Amino acid sequence: DAMVIQNPRYQVTQFGKPVTLSCSQTLNHNVMYWYQQKSSQAPKLLFHYYDKDFNNEADTPDNFQSRRPNTSFCFLDIRSPGLGDAAMYLCATSRGRLLGETQYFGPGTRLLVL
Amino acid sequence: AQSVAQPEDQVNVAEGNPLTVKCTYSVSGNPYLFWYVQYPNRGLQFLLKYITGDNLVKGSYGFEAEFNKSQTSFHLKKPSALVSDSALYFCAVRDMYSGGGADGLTFGKGTHLIIQP
Repeated sequence: DAMVIQNPRYQVTQFGKPVTLSCSQTLNHNVMYWYQQKSSQAPKLLFHYYDKDFNNEADTPDNFQSRRPNTSFCFLDIRSPGLGDAAMYLCATSRGRLLGETQYFGPGTRLLVL
Repeated sequence: AQSVAQPEDQVNVAEGNPLTVKCTYSVSGNPYLFWYVQYPNRGLQFLLKYITGDNLVKGSYGFEAEFNKSQTSFHLKKPSALVSDSALYFCAVRDMYSGGGADGLTFGKGTHLIIQP
C-alpha cells in the first residue's frame, strides 16, 4: 500500500545533542511537510518542500532544518534540541500545492528530550 | 489570517446515538475545509474535505460534514456512533489569502470524542 513512513516512532535524545527524524513516502507526491504537535495542541507547520523548493514558516526556529535528497525522503534535523522541543513530529505529503489537495500524514515520531 | 475554532474540548455520546463535532472557521477568501482523526500515538487520518459543490460531504467510516457558509461552520456528523470512533478529531482550513501559511493546514485545537458503550 502507498503510504507515508516515519522512523523512528520514538526518539530519545539529550539536551543539545543533534537529532534527525526521517520520513519516506511511496505516494510519489511532490510536496512533503513537517508539522510539530506538542502535547494537547494542534499540529503546527514548520516547513515544507515543493519538489526541491524549500519553504520555511516565518516563526520556525533556526534550530530546525530540513533536507530532501530525493522525491521519496525528507529529513528533519534539530541541531540543538531543548526541552521545549519535545513533541510529536508529523510528516505529511500531498500531490501538489493546490488548496484543495489532501495532505496524508505519517504515524509520527515522538521526541523526548532529556 | 485564517483560523479554526472547535468550541468543545470533549464530546460524550452513547454508542448508537448520532454524534456532532463542531467546527467554525474564519478566512479571507473561499475556505477549503478538512476533518482529520487521530488515535493515541498515531498520525492524523484524513476523513473528508469540502472544496466546492454540495454542502453535505460524505467521508470515511460513515462520517459526513455539513458546510454552512452563512454560519461559517463545518460540523462533523455521524448518524450512529461506534465505540471505535473514540479519538481526537481535528478540523482544518486553508485559503488562498493565508499568506506565508498558504501551503500548510491551520488546525483547530481538537475535540476528544468519547463513545460510551
